[in-house]
Amino acid sequence: NAGVTQTPKFQVLKTGQSMTLQCAQDMNHNSMYWYRQDPGMGLRLIYYSASEGTTDKGEVPNGYNVSRLNKREFSLRLESAAPSQTSVYFCASKERLAGGGDEQFFGPGTRLTVL
Amino acid sequence: QQQVKQSPQSLIVQKGGISIINCAYENTAFDYFPWYQQFPGKGPALLIAIRPDVSEKKEGRFTISFNKSAKQFSLHIMDSQPGDSATYFCAASRRGLPGSRLTFGEGTQLTVNP
Repeated sequence: NAGVTQTPKFQVLKTGQSMTLQCAQDMNHNSMYWYRQDPGMGLRLIYYSASEGTTDKGEVPNGYNVSRLNKREFSLRLESAAPSQTSVYFCASKERLAGGGDEQFFGPGTRLTVL
Repeated sequence: QQQVKQSPQSLIVQKGGISIINCAYENTAFDYFPWYQQFPGKGPALLIAIRPDVSEKKEGRFTISFNKSAKQFSLHIMDSQPGDSATYFCAASRRGLPGSRLTFGEGTQLTVNP
């Protein structure tokens, strides 16, 4: 199992450019998430998808769009990149655990710089 | 609005010492409190988690203490090792909801000196 994979690993954009971050999981999980990580601010949820065909806004959705292409894939799109979107982006999928908890499995991250 | 507050922001401990990281939450609907560990250049990974029906959970050198009335929980790392050097995030969520969301604390960068 590859787990959660993300592409690209690194990206540099100019202000106003667009790009799509790709994420795929091979664990047959229903729920998937996109986070951004900034120093001193922890992980903040951008968008999530509880199941195939559904998406919902998280804490910081402005400037982003998502597509849940199928059960495996969940992409994040920046339509017009801004320097404030410079961050490390993580995709995750969630597994229910016995006993009622759950575990999120994270990808390796995409390090994005917007100039 | 940060619903989970974590402290300290950074922590330096000597090998063999005890590392303690604290978190406080606001939303009384939270009923699941995991800790995630992140090594440089990697994504976070689940370390240990607790439900509010118990006051303590121990897994090896890692222990979560939970105080429901104070809405606080903490991670204790006993006999800290250089390999424990990482960033630790506390989190909180409501179990059982489809697509249930984790709310993370700000993170603590732990350095264990040899």
